[in-house]
Amino acid sequence: GEDVEQSLFLSVREGDSSVINCTYTDSSSTYLYWYKQEPGAGLQLLTYIFSNMDMKQDQRLTVLLNKKDKHLSLRIADTQTGDSAIYFCAESTPSNTGKLIFGQGTTLQVKP
Amino acid sequence: DAGVTQSPTHLIKTRGQHVTLRCSPISGHKSVSWYQQVLGQGPQFIFQYYEKEERGRGNFPDRFSARQFPNYSSELNVNALLLGDSALYLCASSFPERVEQFFGPGTRLTVL
Repeated sequence: GEDVEQSLFLSVREGDSSVINCTYTDSSSTYLYWYKQEPGAGLQLLTYIFSNMDMKQDQRLTVLLNKKDKHLSLRIADTQTGDSAIYFCAESTPSNTGKLIFGQGTTLQVKP
Repeated sequence: DAGVTQSPTHLIKTRGQHVTLRCSPISGHKSVSWYQQVLGQGPQFIFQYYEKEERGRGNFPDRFSARQFPNYSSELNVNALLLGDSALYLCASSFPERVEQFFGPGTRLTVL
């Protein structure tokens, strides 16, 4: 089946690292994504990883993928107050329909 | 370049009415996807269109329909509105051979 789960809330201090976790069930997922949503706004694509990769780094963002455990994480280094938002994990299906399956989102609160 | 644009920004309708939401993709993008995001949840896939053809459909009733025009813009139509249709409706566009989907700011629909 298709299901993506995330913890609902994470609070960190400014300057610390944040780690947001996600698990998925579809072992045939081809790509896994992280999106950011600020209040009242649409979704901003942060990064994505192909399912045969273990890690991808992009400036302050590091994505780790454990395909065996179907676990994905997003690490934000030196977290800033502007990083406060809801973060969504999503997986794509191999059916070529363009369908993305999203988790329920993790609210990241960054305290000064 | 302009991002994905959607109109209107907000909309209030009553039960039983019909609504049309509009989306213009990023220039050069030929695929458009529609998602419904109910408050507190992740987006749910409704449709994807590519070259005016429906390529994928999520688990939504026939009251939901869409189409894509020769300029690749798209409309989402919802008939016989229910209270549960109240949500943020998001449009995303992509190149057909690329995996990134870029989202617009959404249309907030309230059904009274």
